Amino acid sequence: NAGVTQTPKFRILKIGQSMTLQCAQDMNHNYMYWYRQDPGMGLKLIYYSVGAGITDKGEVPNGYNVSRSTTEDFPLRLELAAPSQTSVYFCASSYSSRGNEQFFGPGTRLTVL
Amino acid sequence: GQQLNQSPQSMFIQEGEDVSMNCTSSSIFNTWLWYKQDPGEGPVLLIALYKAGELTSNGRLTAQFGITRKDSFLNISASIPSDVGIYFCAGRPDNYGQNFVFGPGTRLSVLP
Repeated sequence: NAGVTQTPKFRILKIGQSMTLQCAQDMNHNYMYWYRQDPGMGLKLIYYSVGAGITDKGEVPNGYNVSRSTTEDFPLRLELAAPSQTSVYFCASSYSSRGNEQFFGPGTRLTVL
Repeated sequence: GQQLNQSPQSMFIQEGEDVSMNCTSSSIFNTWLWYKQDPGEGPVLLIALYKAGELTSNGRLTAQFGITRKDSFLNISASIPSDVGIYFCAGRPDNYGQNFVFGPGTRLSVLP
């Protein structure tokens, strides 16, 4: 099993550009999450999904969109990139909502200039 | 929103020493998790705690769910160089749904 995979690893965007961060898991997990990690801060939840076709906002959803058309994939979309979205983005998945084991991907480091 | 405090922010210790760190909140939590993050990697779960007073070990790591339900502690015994990294606590507050709040992390450096 590859676990949770994320692409790309690094990306530089100009202000106003758009991009999609890809996340996939091969563990048949129902729950998937997107977090951002800013320097010296804890992970902040952007969006999460409890299953295919169902998504919900987390703590910091503004400026982002998600979709969950399959169990495996949970892409995160930035429509109009802003410098405040410079961060490291982590995708995670878990089997149940109890979340006792959230498996994290290796992260995508995004810089918006 | 909910916030967690972790202390210390960072620490430098000698190889072989024991390490203690803690995580506190202003509200009651029903689950505590401890993660370790290596540079350039995602966090990896170390220990999960589900009830007040619970003490759980994972090798040289021991964590406790505080009696007040507002704190948790992580101890590492006989530290080794590969213990270097950032340790995050995460908790699920009562009445917060199914999601977790993460602390800012404790950065651990182990000197040979």
